[in-house]
Amino acid sequence: GAGVSQSPRYKVAKRGQDVALRCDPISGHVSLFWYQQALGQGPEFLTYFQNEAQLDKSGLPSDRFFAERPEGSVSTLKIQRTQQEDSAVYLCASSLTSGVPQGRSGNTIYFGEGSWLTVV
Amino acid sequence: AQTVTQSQPEMSVQEAETVTLSCTYDTSESNYYLFWYKQPPSRQMILVIRQEAYKQQNATENRFSVNFQKAAKSFSLKISDSQLGDTAMYFCAFIGNNDMRFGAGTRLTVKP
Repeated sequence: GAGVSQSPRYKVAKRGQDVALRCDPISGHVSLFWYQQALGQGPEFLTYFQNEAQLDKSGLPSDRFFAERPEGSVSTLKIQRTQQEDSAVYLCASSLTSGVPQGRSGNTIYFGEGSWLTVV
Repeated sequence: AQTVTQSQPEMSVQEAETVTLSCTYDTSESNYYLFWYKQPPSRQMILVIRQEAYKQQNATENRFSVNFQKAAKSFSLKISDSQLGDTAMYFCAFIGNNDMRFGAGTRLTVKP
């Protein structure tokens, strides 16, 4: 597709339920980021993929959070045994290259519209 | 890890006036990008302007310009001729090697 696509756009989960959030990056994009944005806060980094390799998962808040990108394209963020504090917008972003390109402009980060998760 | 600080949680400006949003960051990297993103209530992140750290010239994009002070690690956004449609959250962001971090945001309100 033309942009980063996330699904579902809206999800209401009962506390304790498992959820899976999907991100379809722009075709050919190497880098993929997941962020968590609570109400009134800035996006907080969760994890980063370069192709299928998860290079940084330091932002995942607990072992209930798991992300994968098995074929280097679509990524899934899974949250097990959801809790109320997991309620947030989950943003996915992708970029064409990895790291910081040298001597040329580019590497714009494109964001999806987010998946709004509410845990009741 | 890199940190990004936006010290102004909220700001307001009269339509057609100029406003400056501040941002400071901390990094040990020498090559990186800085961004300002606009986020309306829909939560879609919209790129406003980008600055490459190796460029001394401040980036400009129509009514939006930055004041990039690399030594001071400061990256402020100036919005000229503010319009009602500029009302939104504004986030400063840093990207280094495989790392992108955001500030906490500034809520800007443009008043008619």
